[in-house]
Amino acid sequence: GAGVSQTPSNKVTEKGKYVELRCDPISGHTALYWYRQSLGQGPEFLIYFQGTGAADDSGLPNDRFFAVRPEGSVSTLKIQRTERGDSAVYLCASSPSRDTGELFFGEGSRLTVL
Amino acid sequence: AQSVTQLGSHVSVSEGALVLLRCNYSSSVPPYLFWYVQYPNQGLQLLLKYTTGATLVKGINGFEAEFKKSETSFHLTKPSAHMSDAAEYFCAVITYSGNTPLVFGKGTRLSVIA
Repeated sequence: GAGVSQTPSNKVTEKGKYVELRCDPISGHTALYWYRQSLGQGPEFLIYFQGTGAADDSGLPNDRFFAVRPEGSVSTLKIQRTERGDSAVYLCASSPSRDTGELFFGEGSRLTVL
Repeated sequence: AQSVTQLGSHVSVSEGALVLLRCNYSSSVPPYLFWYVQYPNQGLQLLLKYTTGATLVKGINGFEAEFKKSETSFHLTKPSAHMSDAAEYFCAVITYSGNTPLVFGKGTRLSVIA
């Protein structure tokens, strides 16, 4: 597609369950970012990929969060043992080059942990 | 570390009135500054950016912002508000070196009253 695609758009799960969120970036974009946006807050950085490797994962809140981008295109954000505090909108963005600040965002995946 | 502060979580203006959304930044090195907009049920999109050069930058939909180093500000303005401008606006910063991820403010919700 023309833009960044994120699936699912909405995910409701129970506390303790495992969740995967998928991001399909714009074709040809080498940089991929995950952000988390809680209610009333701005997007909070989680992790950044350049190609297949995680160039910066300093924003991941703890070891329950993990992300992969095995072929340098689609990325999956994985959350283990979900907690109610993980409820947020998870945003994916891609960029044609590294760290220009010009990001193309998807519409986000809204995660609700009951 | 760099950061941005947006003054006012909610701004309400009448249609046709001046729009002024405030953003102050903190950065120990020359910053690149951005404004992103999020319309209801849409992903964030870039409105305008300042990197180097002219301190008054123009963006889409008639918005502009001025980088003022002495005031560490990057306020967003539009001379005449339209109903379609109602959205959430985020100021963001990245360092000149590009070694840090884009950092967002908490956002300002703009309401336009007919």
